Amino acid sequence: GDSVTQMEGPVTLSEEAFLTINCTYTATGYPSLFWYVQYPGEGLQLLLKATKADDKGSNKGFEATYRKETTSFHLEKGSVQVSDSAVYFCALNYGGSQGNLIFGKGTKLSVKP
Amino acid sequence: NAGVMQNPRHLVRRRGQEARLRCSPMKGHSHVYWYRQLPEEGLKFMVYLQKENIIDESGMPKERFSAEFPKEGPSILRIQQVVRGDSAAYFCASSPATGKGGEAFFGQGTRLTVV
Repeated sequence: GDSVTQMEGPVTLSEEAFLTINCTYTATGYPSLFWYVQYPGEGLQLLLKATKADDKGSNKGFEATYRKETTSFHLEKGSVQVSDSAVYFCALNYGGSQGNLIFGKGTKLSVKP
Repeated sequence: NAGVMQNPRHLVRRRGQEARLRCSPMKGHSHVYWYRQLPEEGLKFMVYLQKENIIDESGMPKERFSAEFPKEGPSILRIQQVVRGDSAAYFCASSPATGKGGEAFFGQGTRLTVV
């Protein structure tokens, strides 16, 4: 079945460091891909998305490119801030229902000043 | 424009009791989804509802769990005779319509603790 695999955390970085969180997926069709962020004690917020191959999603300095050839959607940010500390979830869905998402296990990011 | 509202935020139940979790979708949204997040795990889809209809309940446990989204009022996720393994965060999401690439908006979750 369809699945999403993320790099295991936790990831600890110093402020202004470069961030990469790997995400690969297994899917029989052509899903849409998402990154969600969960701040402590909060629900999930959509960070960025891409709906087709070679699309790049971007928001708040974060980027991810939909790579069909490597079935990947890695999240990157050039310079992280303490406020980026959160859990990041990679997810996919098919068009049938927007909220029926398959999530990875999440990667916890801690950014130290 | 209020987001997805879930209540209560925290719920403590003794084994064998019933838990009722409520979710009011964003204004104008008619699609509701429930997810469960176990400790150190990602979110797992449970059920997808539209007004007065269950569309997909493939992620719901076969026993003790039920969900509804009535014509009026919030969506309810009900867990009967709770057990310790039901302790988790339960998230609700809503969306305005189906379609590829659309966004689902999540509530802040209800954290259920079974003692």
